[in-house]
Amino acid sequence: KAGVTQTPRYLIKTRGQQVTLSCSPISGHRSVSWYQQTPGQGLQFLFEYFSETQRNKGNFPGRFSGRQFSNSRSEMNVSTLELGDSALYLCASSLEGTPHTQYFGPGTRLTVL
Amino acid sequence: QQQVKQSPQSLIVQKGGISIINCAYENTAFDYFPWYQQFPGKGPALLIAIRPDVSEKKEGRFTISFNKSAKQFSLHIMDSQPGDSATYFCALKRGTALIFGKGTTLSVSS
Repeated sequence: KAGVTQTPRYLIKTRGQQVTLSCSPISGHRSVSWYQQTPGQGLQFLFEYFSETQRNKGNFPGRFSGRQFSNSRSEMNVSTLELGDSALYLCASSLEGTPHTQYFGPGTRLTVL
Repeated sequence: QQQVKQSPQSLIVQKGGISIINCAYENTAFDYFPWYQQFPGKGPALLIAIRPDVSEKKEGRFTISFNKSAKQFSLHIMDSQPGDSATYFCALKRGTALIFGKGTTLSVSS
């Protein structure tokens, strides 16, 4: 089975712009979660989607949003980018009932200038 | 507010030695305690996980010890190998979210 794929792998944006990141989960996985990884804060949970519905949300401002499509693919959007949004954004998928077993993609490295 | 504290931040171990990473958490609303391993340029990968009704779980060279009353759990890597050099994260499962520790960078010297 193919693993979780994320596009693009690298992205450079300037402050104030918006960005959309894409994630394709492992086939058959309907739960998709997003995490932000930074050296200072580590891995932080952004949100989780299941069957096109946001089921869980972390403590991030409303500038961070996401959605899931009927084929379980997910997108994450960050509007009005700030320097502090520079991070590795990781997507993870899991089978329903096993959220502790999340399969992570390689991440999208976002740099905000 | 950090709900899980992981230590040490970095660890250097000789090949063949035992690596020990500890985590402490602050409340009891968690139902799974996984450990993830991350290599540079890769996403984290599940290494081993334990439920709170079990005190120890072993998979190969990796063992989780869990102390519910002390709210602590630890990862032991026996016979550490250079290929084990990576960053290790403990995590707490709350609902469908994972709450991660800050990570431990392990270097195994040959």
